[in-house]
Amino acid sequence: EPEVTQTPSHQVTQMGQEVILRCVPISNHLYFYWYRQILGQKVEFLVSFYNNEISEKSEIFDDQFSVERPDGSNFTLKIRSTKLEDSAMYFCASSEMGGSNQPQHFGDGTRLSIL
Amino acid sequence: AQSVTQPDIHITVSEGASLELRCNYSYGATPYLFWYVQSPGQGLQLLLKYFSGDTLVQGIKGFEAEFKRSQSSFNLRKPSVHWSDAAEYFCAVVLFGANDYKLSFGAGTTVTVRA
Repeated sequence: EPEVTQTPSHQVTQMGQEVILRCVPISNHLYFYWYRQILGQKVEFLVSFYNNEISEKSEIFDDQFSVERPDGSNFTLKIRSTKLEDSAMYFCASSEMGGSNQPQHFGDGTRLSIL
Repeated sequence: AQSVTQPDIHITVSEGASLELRCNYSYGATPYLFWYVQSPGQGLQLLLKYFSGDTLVQGIKGFEAEFKRSQSSFNLRKPSVHWSDAAEYFCAVVLFGANDYKLSFGAGTTVTVRA
């Protein structure tokens, strides 16, 4: 069964550094998402992306965050200047269509640790 | 605001015993609901979904869930748990955007299975 893949599985970065989290969505999917889960807290929506632009973003997704689909297969989340509170598990998800009867398929996540 | 609540933070169950995980939703209209499971070190895997129709929904791994509008609940059940069911379980409700939707997750319930 096709999967969403995320790399790296664990990223350790110094505070203030830029970090790029990579995702390869399922190949025929058109809608892409990032969520994050701070340790011990619930999974939170960050951003949705369709047709090469952001569809919706949460309050968490401030100017330090950006997303990009640089080619036909990758979907990236960039944090420009990381803060300690950015430490979390980041999940990428994709769905074939935007309708709610199309479930979002999640990757295994990237654990981001900011030192 | 539309949301889901999972009242139980942690449940311990014996292998072979039945399991029920509670999920209550707050939503003005008929909600679209999901259950996801997160095994240790893994991503979020979709167990089942409810959109409309039959209120008893069958999912993977022997799980089922029942939508009860009168109780605003969507509880997950399994008649006989296996040690491999030890994981964290998340209930989620669909929040619609202009073109797609995002998921609003509950805080999760951790299930421990004892031999």
